[in-house]
Amino acid sequence: DAKTTQPPSMDCAEGRAANLPCNHSTISGNEYVYWYRQIHSQGPQYIIHGLKNNETNEMASLIITEDRKSSTLILPHATLRDTAVYYCIVQPMDSNYQLIWGAGTKLIIKP
Amino acid sequence: EAQVTQNPRYLITVTGKKLTVTCSQNMNHEYMSWYRQDPGLGLRQIYYSMNVEVTDKGDVPEGYKVSRKEKRNFPLILESPSPNQTSLYFCASSLWQVGGSTEAFFGQGTRLTVV
Repeated sequence: DAKTTQPPSMDCAEGRAANLPCNHSTISGNEYVYWYRQIHSQGPQYIIHGLKNNETNEMASLIITEDRKSSTLILPHATLRDTAVYYCIVQPMDSNYQLIWGAGTKLIIKP
Repeated sequence: EAQVTQNPRYLITVTGKKLTVTCSQNMNHEYMSWYRQDPGLGLRQIYYSMNVEVTDKGDVPEGYKVSRKEKRNFPLILESPSPNQTSLYFCASSLWQVGGSTEAFFGQGTRLTVV
């Protein structure tokens, strides 16, 4: 079973920040938080990952709570092309060959 | 360009006719995996490989075979396809990193229909 819980769907206005929450209350100390997205039926695309600290890259920011039991993916200026299913996954260190996928959050960006 | 290439992208076949879906990556990754994606069931792992000649079953291996004779290739074989194997298939690869974790790269998918 997936070790994360995400809302099934969310809307966001174009140009606004999209904040996608994820609960991973059973995460252990050697597990990373990863975010991927899947646009329509294309192959999933890596977005960002983190262990304890907040992370930022050209696509998004990842905010992890101090107790590591939840995180938020932030797309700072959402565009229509960001409409996709977003998956939050916890991944053990040294064993990234097995990803357990949940249902994800369907994010719809509205004009 | 770093990529995972699957072929074919679309395939319609008949029950019982053996088929192979190829997967190749050009990033020298150790790990490779196959997933199937069905509506309402999400992505489920079929088989994975940690390196050449090392393969292992994922969550839904029944009816599938794989091989890893070269680092770059990881074909998925359906010896006798059945209609319940109609699905969207993805191949993925990732790098092994001591004490760390790396992202997976996915192919564009193969939509298989078995009639």
